[in-house]
Amino acid sequence: AQSVTQLDSHVSVSEGTPVLLRCNYSSSYSPSLFWYVQHPNKGLQLLLKYTSAATLVKGINGFEAEFKKSETSFHLTKPSAHMSDAAEYFCVVSDLSSNYQLIWGAGTKLIIKP
Amino acid sequence: DAGITQSPRYKITETGRQVTLMCHQTWSHSYMFWYRQDLGHGLRLIYYSAAADITDKGEVPDGYVVSRSKTENFPLTLESATRSQTSVYFCASSPRDTLNYGYTFGSGTRLTVV
Repeated sequence: AQSVTQLDSHVSVSEGTPVLLRCNYSSSYSPSLFWYVQHPNKGLQLLLKYTSAATLVKGINGFEAEFKKSETSFHLTKPSAHMSDAAEYFCVVSDLSSNYQLIWGAGTKLIIKP
Repeated sequence: DAGITQSPRYKITETGRQVTLMCHQTWSHSYMFWYRQDLGHGLRLIYYSAAADITDKGEVPDGYVVSRSKTENFPLTLESATRSQTSVYFCASSPRDTLNYGYTFGSGTRLTVV
């Protein structure tokens, strides 16, 4: 069965420093992977997705993620954090075994210090 | 307005009452979904629908009922609300190619059962 683990429930970085949000997944098939962002009291927005094309995926707002099959990871990064990046981030996996339904991680809250 | 809208945004109801959460999308997307979001659980799928008159259970369907008589509407009914159903509920829609297009979420309904 698939699963996704976000390794940190909270990440705190200073504005202007790099961001790393870690995600590991489990999948028996070729997975599709997503990152969604949720700003406070808002809905969820698709940040980026991997669907078996290039392993380095670029998303909106300067975020990117790299699919590493050998490490079963899909970590989200950004070179320089901005105050507006403060939000909760969800890593999501989907594959044939779930009939392509989305399996969600528990979320990582990103805190940006001024 | 184009998009996906949920109503109401906030609802307080008493234990045992029936309550219906509404979801409407204007894109004629094939797929629609209902999720609940609780602290520490990420998003959990309640029900989904692949087309009008086709619905299927997700991870946590007990206590909920859905219908989809029209493509654009996907109401979620709590037949007899319980305190454990206090949560934020998100509706989402997606075209048939869900993996390449991802899901578009509504703004959510915050339901409190007292």
